[in-house]
Amino acid sequence: TQLLEQSPQFLSIQEGENLTVYCNSSSVFSSLQWYRQEPGEGPVLLVTVVTGGEVKKLKRLTFQFGDARKDSSLHITAAQPGDTGLYLCAGVRNDYKLSFGAGTTVTVRA
Amino acid sequence: KAGVTQTPRYLIKTRGQQVTLSCSPISGHRSVSWYQQTPGQGLQFLFEYFSETQRNKGNFPGRFSGRQFSNSRSEMNVSTLELGDSALYLCASSDRGDRGTEAFFGQGTRLTVV
Repeated sequence: TQLLEQSPQFLSIQEGENLTVYCNSSSVFSSLQWYRQEPGEGPVLLVTVVTGGEVKKLKRLTFQFGDARKDSSLHITAAQPGDTGLYLCAGVRNDYKLSFGAGTTVTVRA
Repeated sequence: KAGVTQTPRYLIKTRGQQVTLSCSPISGHRSVSWYQQTPGQGLQFLFEYFSETQRNKGNFPGRFSGRQFSNSRSEMNVSTLELGDSALYLCASSDRGDRGTEAFFGQGTRLTVV
């Protein structure tokens, strides 16, 4: 059983559309990270959110950490084909371990 | 600054054999973590080393082991390979491994057990 549940598992949208990926858990995390992984590569960190209720923006990407620090969301505005990839959320606990969600495969069609 | 380097990139082994994978972290990073990634299970934490000591361990059988050298380079070993060990093995390094510290991943080693 995954500590972090990501939804949806797959997402296919047209260029220019918006999308949201969710990451939920019953556990509290000291921080939560979002990564993007492209085929043949390792995951690359996009953002770390630390404070409950925190919202961070990275160009067209908006990340939100839930007030209770148990969930997070990633919203992409006006998606582009370059946003295609596997999006992973990872929760950080006091034991230094990163617990990853299963990932959301996003495909943006031109 | 060079990134995290994992060798080899691809490996094919036979059931019952053993394998050693190598990871060279970013210069100055003392924490190295290993993960197994499969389509069905996603990224699963194997273990983490910090300054040559295993600081944390995931829920994998004893066939999976690792070590870290004084230069922070790390190796992981899998003995008595099983078909289910086929996966992408990722190594990540960070400077402290503290909460919220960014982990830098290598490209991984794709292990296929036949």
